[in-house]
Parts: sequence; C-alpha cells; structure tokens
Amino acid sequence: QSVLTQPPSASGTPGQRVTISCSGSSSNIGVNTVNWFQQIPGTAPKALIYSNNQRPSGVPDRFAGSKSGTSASLAISGLQSEDEADYYCAAWDDSLNGRWVFGGGTKLTVL
Amino acid sequence: EVQLVESGGGLVKPGGSLRLSCAASGFTFRSYDMNWVRQAPGKGLEWVSSIGKTGSYTFYADSVKGRFTISRDNAKNSLYLQMNSLRAEDTAVYYCARGSVGATTVVDYWGQGTLVTVSS
Repeated sequence: QSVLTQPPSASGTPGQRVTISCSGSSSNIGVNTVNWFQQIPGTAPKALIYSNNQRPSGVPDRFAGSKSGTSASLAISGLQSEDEADYYCAAWDDSLNGRWVFGGGTKLTVL
Repeated sequence: EVQLVESGGGLVKPGGSLRLSCAASGFTFRSYDMNWVRQAPGKGLEWVSSIGKTGSYTFYADSVKGRFTISRDNAKNSLYLQMNSLRAEDTAVYYCARGSVGATTVVDYWGQGTLVTVSS
C-alpha cells in the first residue's frame, strides 16, 4: 500500500493529452514539493519533474507538473509512442521522523 | 556527463550481509546528498535511505532501520549501503540516486541498478 495514490493505468492515442494524478496528504504533498519519474520497463527511473513543475534539462516541455493542496498531476501533451512507460510521483513525508514516499506507479499505454 | 554505477549485488542467503557501492563521476560528488531506492521484482519504487553531503545526517525507511547502514567516501566519490540480516523481502534492484530529499526534494540522476537476491 503506497502512501501516495496513483491510478494503476492510463492510456491515450498519439497526439493526445493525458493526465496522471497523485493524491497525498497534509504530511507530504500538502507541505512539500512533488517529483515525477519515468521508468521504461527494464531501465532505471529518469527524472521528469521536480519542485512540482520544474523540468530537468533535456526533458521536453510536453511534460508538465502541477500541484494543488494535497494532490499533484502530471500532464503529457502531444503523446508519443516513446512515452509508454511507468510514471511515479514522490514527495517527502514529514511523519515518522521524515521519509521519502512514492506513489504506486501508473502504467501509461500509447494505443 | 553524470554517471552513477552501482555494484555489489548478488545472491545471498537469508540472514546474510552484502555491501553495495555506487561510483559517481561527472559531477562534484561532495556537493550532493545521495540516496538509495529499491524496486522489488514487478513492484514499484521504494525509498531505502538518504545521506547528507558530508555524511552528517542520514535517514532510513522503517523497513531497513537497524539493519542497513548508508555511508559515503567523498575522497573516493563513492556511496555505500551495508546490508545486514537480509530477508527475502529485501530482494530487489537497488538504485543510487543523486539529489536532496526533504521539503524540496530534487533527485535528478539515477544509476542503472544492481540486483540483490535473498534466497536459500
């Protein structure tokens, strides 16, 4: 049972815009920033978004993060076949002396 | 180019020990907090431990507290994870990741991972 809640799956067709949600609480997303990671099966995770909505260099602006209250979202516009991957949200949680918590991951399928 | 290369994984019996290493290059290692994150087969990501730039502070997930020890050697640009009293549920790919965790977590680079299998 993950501390942050994500839908297990999402899908879209090429060119579409899809959104992945991440629900937390007042001890994590409510007070701390959110990160998003992309993981293509069989490979290491890759940073997509940090500080709620900032992209590391090299990440296309098709990827956008947002946060409101205790929830966050990752939006992917102009969906491409190479976007098919697992996506994870993460945030620091202030409970239990501090810990980094992840969502359970969302498998994105490009139809 | 930032590179993080993990090593030290393998097959170990329950109750055994293993020491993972992460060799860093392409950046000023001593300027960054570092982390270990693991992924059990077919499962999601799970944070394991974090260490500050000088090693002055460390954090551990409850699942590994008292059994695992994170450390670093800034002179050798290396991060370590000493794993004792290993259990079957510790079986996972272990990744090292660069960046600070806390209120404003910024983790930007990950290694390719090393597989730890705990089985008799």
